[in-house]
Amino acid sequence: GAVVSQHPSWVICKSGTSVKIECRSLDFQATTMFWYRQFPKQSLMLMATSNEGSKATYEQGVEKDKFLINHASLTLSTLTVTSAHPEDSSFYICSARPSGRTDTQYFGPGTRLTVL
Amino acid sequence: GENVEQHPSTLSVQEGDSAVIKCTYSDSASNYFPWYKQELGKRPQLIIDIRSNVGEKKDQRIAVTLNKTAKHFSLHITETQPEDSAVYFCAASIPSVSSYDKVIFGPGTSLSVIP
Repeated sequence: GAVVSQHPSWVICKSGTSVKIECRSLDFQATTMFWYRQFPKQSLMLMATSNEGSKATYEQGVEKDKFLINHASLTLSTLTVTSAHPEDSSFYICSARPSGRTDTQYFGPGTRLTVL
Repeated sequence: GENVEQHPSTLSVQEGDSAVIKCTYSDSASNYFPWYKQELGKRPQLIIDIRSNVGEKKDQRIAVTLNKTAKHFSLHITETQPEDSAVYFCAASIPSVSSYDKVIFGPGTSLSVIP
């Protein structure tokens, strides 16, 4: 149980284009999902927290107009990187918190984004 | 501000020896402290966690200790094996006035177990 999937697992795009990444909780409902970014040999940096049916909360320094988050259902959150640039190339990982829990989170397998 | 520090950044041990990783956190309201193991290119995997109402927790070869007064917590791995080689992250919850708590990660420790 407690499986989280991400799609796609990797994506290559041209500079200036937008990329959408999906995060799904497969066997549980998740009111809250988190989006992290991880550069090579670095830690996971929390980008934003999304709650189903409400606006996402972004961490300081993360541009909300560039990283659009939509949490339209209890099993799906999406992250759209708009007008991607090479510096946005990174490993994007989502996590999902089962509804009713206050601390536990389960991670997706990550999405490797490369912007040319 | 919210901060989790972790030491050492790299650690090499001989197979069978113990490994200890130490972390400190800044928010005295933090009450949940998970530890994750991440292999290259893969998702972080929860290996053990501890909540603020206990000072120590053990699961086979892995143990975690928590000192809330000093805001320190540590991971102990005994009888290390080559398959323990990975990057380990400590983390601490940051309570929020909203309905959710977020988790902030330490910078990580790259553990190498030498056969």
